[in-house]
Amino acid sequence: GQQLNQSPQSMFIQEGEDVSMNCTSSSIFNTWLWYKQDPGEGPVLLIALYKAGELTSNGRLTAQFGITRKDSFLNISASIPSDVGIYFCAGHNNDMRFGAGTRLTVKP
Amino acid sequence: GAVVSQHPSRVICKSGTSVKIECRSLDFQATTMFWYRQFPKKSLMLMATSNEGSKATYEQGVEKDKFLINHASLTLSTLTVTSAHPEDSSFYICSARGGFSEQYFGPGTRLTVT
Repeated sequence: GQQLNQSPQSMFIQEGEDVSMNCTSSSIFNTWLWYKQDPGEGPVLLIALYKAGELTSNGRLTAQFGITRKDSFLNISASIPSDVGIYFCAGHNNDMRFGAGTRLTVKP
Repeated sequence: GAVVSQHPSRVICKSGTSVKIECRSLDFQATTMFWYRQFPKKSLMLMATSNEGSKATYEQGVEKDKFLINHASLTLSTLTVTSAHPEDSSFYICSARGGFSEQYFGPGTRLTVT
């Protein structure tokens, strides 16, 4: 199936720093989504992107749908301890494929 | 966002017994529901996709006779793990989609088979 390559695998940052993670694919997707999963919980939708080139913000989060439709990035500005968790990208056509996740640790 | 519930949140069962997990969309009609399995520190592995009123489509390698899925209404899907074994212990997560492309996830069910 369609593979999503998400990087980095993990990040250890200081509170207040900005974070950037991205996903690339060999296939085109019609929709890109970013989810966050806290330990022992299901993923929660953060941002959904529907058009190539689209840049969308949700508070301190900003995500972009790559112009080629084969990639997306997520930025978190001024990180705080509650940003800790696993962030998954997902690409959607007829079904949804997930990246392997980026595990974020924020040190106070 | 849309709300999806899952029940139970945790279940412990003995080897050889069957366990049913329910997934409900609380504020929208879910035409499609998905069941995922997640191992520790791993990504979500899609097990099957079910459309209301029709048979589920299973991913390669997932035993349909072991993981029975029923999507009898637009707000409820169930996953039954039959004759569970310790290797079935995992975190099972459902998600639901209505007339939109986003999937909304349930909180997950931690299954432990002893």
